[in-house]
Amino acid sequence: GAGVSQTPSNKVTEKGKYVELRCDPISGHTALYWYRQSLGQGPEFLIYFQGTGAADDSGLPNDRFFAVRPEGSVSTLKIQRTERGDSAMYLCASSPQAGGAANYGYTFGSGTRLTVV
Amino acid sequence: GDSVTQMEGPVTLSEEAFLTINCTYTATGYPSLFWYVQYPGEGLQLLLKATKADDKGSNKGFEATYRKETTSFHLEKGSVQVSDSAVYFCALSDPVDFGNEKLTFGTGTRLTIIP
Repeated sequence: GAGVSQTPSNKVTEKGKYVELRCDPISGHTALYWYRQSLGQGPEFLIYFQGTGAADDSGLPNDRFFAVRPEGSVSTLKIQRTERGDSAMYLCASSPQAGGAANYGYTFGSGTRLTVV
Repeated sequence: GDSVTQMEGPVTLSEEAFLTINCTYTATGYPSLFWYVQYPGEGLQLLLKATKADDKGSNKGFEATYRKETTSFHLEKGSVQVSDSAVYFCALSDPVDFGNEKLTFGTGTRLTIIP
């Protein structure tokens, strides 16, 4: 597609429920990133995929968070047993570069705003 | 660890005023520095970048110079417009800690320009 697409744009869920957030990167981009942005804060790194594999998942806050990218394009961020503290904007970005992607600039999606009530 | 400290907002200016948004950083390696902008309802966009000391990044009338001696990357614009109203994020990528794959962001500065 023309840009990075994230769905849904808004998600409201009850505490304890499971949610999936989808990211559709720019076609041909091999690198894909997930960031989380809490209110009034800058984005914080969660996980980075190079192709189908998670090259770095050091930013995932705990084992309730998991992400996949089975065919090297679309990625899904999965959150189990959601907590109110998970409420945030979840951002996805992609890059055509295999290395040093940040230097070339990511393309970010518009994000999914998750609210846990 | 790496960090980015940004000028607290919100910042409100009149149209055609001069803008400075301060940004300082700490990094393990020799980082690349960026300014990203988030317009209302849109995703983050790269505004400008600099990859080595004394480099000046520029775009859309905005400028920032990589100052290694003061570990700073302040954003400036000589004459702001209403359309510049947005949230601005300073960020870095560090080749030592993260191999230039990840970005560390500041907290963002909300800029509002009034006509």
